[in-house]
Amino acid sequence: TQLLEQSPQFLSIQEGENLTVYCNSSSVFSSLQWYRQEPGEGPVLLVTVVTGGEVKKLKRLTFQFGDARKDSSLHITAAQPGDTGLYLCAGGGTGTASKLTFGTGTRLQVTL
Amino acid sequence: SQTIHQWPATLVQPVGSPLSLECTVEGTSNPNLYWYRQAAGRGLQLLFYSVGIGQISSEVPQNLSASRPQDRQFILSSKKLLLSDSGFYLCAWSRGTPNVNEQFFGPGTRLTVL
Repeated sequence: TQLLEQSPQFLSIQEGENLTVYCNSSSVFSSLQWYRQEPGEGPVLLVTVVTGGEVKKLKRLTFQFGDARKDSSLHITAAQPGDTGLYLCAGGGTGTASKLTFGTGTRLQVTL
Repeated sequence: SQTIHQWPATLVQPVGSPLSLECTVEGTSNPNLYWYRQAAGRGLQLLFYSVGIGQISSEVPQNLSASRPQDRQFILSSKKLLLSDSGFYLCAWSRGTPNVNEQFFGPGTRLTVL
């Protein structure tokens, strides 16, 4: 069974601070997605990484896929209250009917 | 563009009553479809997925069942609800692109079983 562990589980920071969320597994994934979810809504896809060592930037968010495709990180620079939410990583298997294995989630709260 | 709908948005049902949650996708054809359940503030548990009409794979044996009567319609059902069925139910779709399973989620249904 593939498992994805996220750390930390909870993070409360002030506006302007930087943070990093980690997503780790002992399994290899063909792709890795990051989602953000707000209370009472469905998760929204932020990014997909597919190549080991790949780095993608989305404004103040930087996503990295580990060289061995077993782990990933999300770094937020100068966090804002609008970044508040539940961050979920998800690892993809192979094939067209592949399923996603979701991480345990990191709840981020950014205060003024 | 593609959109995904779920209804109802919220539902309160007594123990032992039946359940039917519906999910429909617009703007794409032959999507992969998924049902998830999410405990409060936690990750997602895959319940069922489907790669085509009438094709259902169950991930977790339980009190629920799923059906796909049309290409872009996915239904989650139960004959008799249990207290443990309470939760946030999410439907998702993907294009089935090999090795890149990007999924797009609906707004969810909050189910409370009393």
